[in-house]
Order: sequence, then structure tokens, then C-alpha cells
Amino acid sequence: DVKVTQSSRYLVKRTGEKVFLECVQDMDHENMFWYRQDPGLGLRLIYFSYDVKMKEKGDIPEGYSVSREKKERFSLILESASTNQTSMYLCASSLTGAPYEQYFGPGTRLTVT
Amino acid sequence: AQKITQTQPGMFVQEKEAVTLDCTYDTSDQSYGLFWYKQPSSGEMIFLIYQGSYDEQNATEGRYSLNFQKARKSANLVISASQLGDSAMYFCAMRGGTSGTYKYIFGTGTRLKVLA
Repeated sequence: DVKVTQSSRYLVKRTGEKVFLECVQDMDHENMFWYRQDPGLGLRLIYFSYDVKMKEKGDIPEGYSVSREKKERFSLILESASTNQTSMYLCASSLTGAPYEQYFGPGTRLTVT
Repeated sequence: AQKITQTQPGMFVQEKEAVTLDCTYDTSDQSYGLFWYKQPSSGEMIFLIYQGSYDEQNATEGRYSLNFQKARKSANLVISASQLGDSAMYFCAMRGGTSGTYKYIFGTGTRLKVLA
């Protein structure tokens, strides 16, 4: 079974703090993704990576950065957390070829106060 | 620009009846994939079904089927014989882009409630 793990289920940070969200997958997937999920807005893509050290901006990259130094690990970084970044963050991974479905982690609910 | 539209924020269905969740999409890609995911209240995203843009037959997986109408750019999910455990949020998604830079776009979701 593919397993995608995220470092924390719940996280509370203060405004201005630097926040690291870690994601690890164990199935040698080339592609990894970070989404945020907000009520009424669905999942919105923040960044994705299709190879080690490669990254592409998604639809809402502002205020975020990412790092992928190893194939299995994809980190999301909030350089200076703000209250409007309070959200559920979901990490996912997929193969480039078939099957194409994404495998998701359990999510991190981040609250910025 | 790619876009997924789910126009039903919430739906009710009686147990054992069939239900259709609507999804329309917009893309200029010739090759793309369409997905449905289920998100129960526990939060995990569960893959349900996949349809490739070149697949001529509608995809089916157990009680789930995807009604793919390419000309209308719709990819509706049909759940037959609804069960109480089907109560969840359902997301339609599309994979598109060029090789090496595929990205996935999600709709805003439909919350389904199955009534006993």
C-alpha cells in the first residue's frame, strides 16, 4: 500500500513564525503536491514537484515555498505565517505514468494566531 | 485555463437509491484524465474512479460509474444503491498539462448525505 505521511495532524503557530510542513511518501513516486483545503473553495494547488530539486508553482504560491532534496520528501515552508494561512494542508504523490491517481496524506490542520 | 466546476454544494439521497453528482470541466489539452475522490468526515481523500480522455467506454468501479460526455465536457459520478457510508464530500478533479509538468485541478466539492 502506498503511504503518504505528514509530520503533524494539528499545528498552532503565531503570526510571523516560520513554519515547516513535511511530507514523506514510500512508493518511489516522481510527483509530489501540496494543496490547501478551505470550505467552499475545494483543494487549491500551492506547489508541485515532478523530480528531485524541481518545483512548479501552482495556483496560489504566494507566501509559500517548497523544498525537495530527496525523492520521497517534499516540504512546504511558510516563511512568515499569517492568519490567512490558517487552513488544512494536504500533501499528495503520484506516478508520472499510469496509474495516475494521487495518494493523499492525512492532512495538517494549521492554525495561525 | 483549466477549470473544474461542481455546481451542487450539497445533495441528499435515500438509502439504496442511485445518485448523480455533476462535474463539468474546461481544458484545451487533448490528453487529460478525470478523477473522483471521496473525503469522509475523517478527512482522508479516497480515490474512487478514473477516466482517460481517450477512453471510449465509461469507467466503472463497483457501485461507482463515471458518465463521460466528452463533447459536453462533463464527467458525472453515478453512485448506485447508496449506502449510509457514502455520506461524504466528493471532489471531481482533472489531470492535464504537458509531460513532466502534469498538474491536478479540483472542483469545490459536493457534500452528499445518505438518508436512512
